[in-house]
Amino acid sequence: DIQMTQSPSTLSASVGDTVTMTCRASQNIRSWLAWYQQKPGRAPKFLISRASTLESGVPSRFSGSGSGTEFTLTITSLQPDDFATYYCQQYDSYSWTFGQGTKVDIK
Amino acid sequence: QVQLQESGPGLVKPSQTLSLTCTVSGGSISSGGYYWSWIRQHPGKGLEWIGYIYYSGSTYYNPSLKSRVTISVDTSKNQFSLKLSSVTAPDTAVYYCARALDVEGWFDPWGQGTLVTVSS
Repeated sequence: DIQMTQSPSTLSASVGDTVTMTCRASQNIRSWLAWYQQKPGRAPKFLISRASTLESGVPSRFSGSGSGTEFTLTITSLQPDDFATYYCQQYDSYSWTFGQGTKVDIK
Repeated sequence: QVQLQESGPGLVKPSQTLSLTCTVSGGSISSGGYYWSWIRQHPGKGLEWIGYIYYSGSTYYNPSLKSRVTISVDTSKNQFSLKLSSVTAPDTAVYYCARALDVEGWFDPWGQGTLVTVSS
């Protein structure tokens, strides 16, 4: 299986900050990476596909980048609604795997 | 738009079989083009993909669960189902059903999730 490692585990920030989190794959997954946002008690919400393609309706303050084994999710001008846990997921191989998540909490 | 809803027992005894159903509304499983998937999340933990089924019945399972998992589809009812055999306490989790494009593998939409507790 391809292992996905996210860092940091927790990220403390304030409204208005720009935050960046990283997702690393244990092998080359080209650009077959998705990002999700999850709030407590809710199902994950799909944000980004192919490492950098924003899903329709997702605010433009979210952006993704990277290819191969290293990827980032950046949120510029953090809003109160953005405090959540973010997961990456690879879909390069048919045994799809998720990272363990990065929690963005209020500083 | 397409919506998914999980249903099934919230409590399963150890060694028994966990059975869940996902009902799809707003679209037809038979139309093809999607992998219908199950994903679980242990309490306070990350996400684990369990497996998927195509409308034709072809399946692919997470190798770590493959020996205990069966996913089936009932196109007449627009539902797909999960069976996980020989459950133990570590199988306690929120179970989600979700849809993935067959040309990619990201999940959208998701069901709301259902908590299944394994306990005697």
